[in-house]
Amino acid sequence: AQSVTQLGSHVSVSEGALVLLRCNYSSSVPPYLFWYVQYPNQGLQLLLKYTTGATLVKGINGFEAEFKKSETSFHLTKPSAHMSDAAEYFCAVTFSSNTGKLIFGQGTTLQVKP
Amino acid sequence: GAVVSQHPSRVICKSGTSVKIECRSLDFQATTMFWYRQFPKQSLMLMATSNEGSKATYEQGVEKDKFLINHASLTLSTLTVTSAHPEDSSFYICSARDRSGQAYTEAFFGQGTRLTVV
Repeated sequence: AQSVTQLGSHVSVSEGALVLLRCNYSSSVPPYLFWYVQYPNQGLQLLLKYTTGATLVKGINGFEAEFKKSETSFHLTKPSAHMSDAAEYFCAVTFSSNTGKLIFGQGTTLQVKP
Repeated sequence: GAVVSQHPSRVICKSGTSVKIECRSLDFQATTMFWYRQFPKQSLMLMATSNEGSKATYEQGVEKDKFLINHASLTLSTLTVTSAHPEDSSFYICSARDRSGQAYTEAFFGQGTRLTVV
């Protein structure tokens, strides 16, 4: 079965510190991986995606993620957290044989302390 | 990126009434739209996949007679919550994929609709 697991439902960092949000997937076929951010009472905004090619993917707002097939991971990082990064983050996966529907992880709430 | 407009953003209705939520792709044609439900502090749960001109495919456990989905055109899908009850109160989000049909194109999300049934 295909699934996505986000380790840590809540992550707290200080402003300026490294942000690391973890995502692991389970799949028997090549995945397409996404990270989305959600602010309160809003829809989802795409941060970045991995489809094929370069495994280190750069996204908006200084975020990046690296696809590691051997570890079945797609962790999201940002070198220096800003207060405006506080939000809910979702890792998601879809597969080429699928209709394109996304399977979401449980979400991680990022708190940024001043 | 492409824009998906969802309306209304917030609605309060009385128990027993029906509510319609619209999802429009503004600058692209969407052959497929998805409807999600999100409970507080939880992830998104896919309710159904809507394909233009055909019946929606509902996920297991989702009542198709309660959550009516219509995808009449390539730019509009609607979700109608029929005979709403307080337990239907939730955040509903739609997303749309463009017509290219490639599985790895990202889905663009609407702003969500906060439904409160009183």
